[in-house]
Amino acid sequence: KNQVEQSPQSLIILEGKNCTLQCNYTVSPFSNLRWYKQDTGRGPVSLTIMTFSENTKSNGRYTATLDADTKQSSLHITASQLSDSASYICVVSPNTGNQFYFGTGTSLTVIP
Amino acid sequence: NAGVTQTPKFQVLKTGQSMTLQCAQDMNHNSMYWYRQDPGMGLRLIYYSASEGTTDKGEVPNGYNVSRLNKREFSLRLESAAPSQTSVYFCASSLGQGVIYEQYFGPGTRLTVT
Repeated sequence: KNQVEQSPQSLIILEGKNCTLQCNYTVSPFSNLRWYKQDTGRGPVSLTIMTFSENTKSNGRYTATLDADTKQSSLHITASQLSDSASYICVVSPNTGNQFYFGTGTSLTVIP
Repeated sequence: NAGVTQTPKFQVLKTGQSMTLQCAQDMNHNSMYWYRQDPGMGLRLIYYSASEGTTDKGEVPNGYNVSRLNKREFSLRLESAAPSQTSVYFCASSLGQGVIYEQYFGPGTRLTVT
């Protein structure tokens, strides 16, 4: 069964600190993996997309890694800011059909 | 460009009432989607429209109908609302159908059915 699991469910960190969010998936055969940021009361916004051949991609202070062999991805946030407080959603797609498998998200709170 | 817009932002319905959620995009995208987001669950696809004139069921279509009015607009109708349809509804659009295309989401409609 195709599944996407994220951990932790929630996380609280101090402003300026780094953090890493995890995404494990069983989706196969793999096409791509996306990380979205969803602010409270808003729709998800794409941060990165990674294909099978990519193992690192950065978007400003956000760096995503992908290990397609172990079916794991992580999102590392450097020097966190209050505006990073949001839910981060991992989405994995197989290379057959038109499917998007959404994780339940990690809720990040950055406190001053 | 407004991107993807949704109306209304909030709605409260009584069981059995009907309503239509509106979605429009100004990015000249071909494909449009309706999702629902419930606590503790990932977004689930209700219906999608790969191109103007076509619609297809997603993972959770029961209790819903859709209309692709034109290339810009894709509406979601609840004919007889039930408490189980209390959720946040997101519309999304993409340039084409297929997992390589980026999806752009609207701000959501928060629906409560009492």
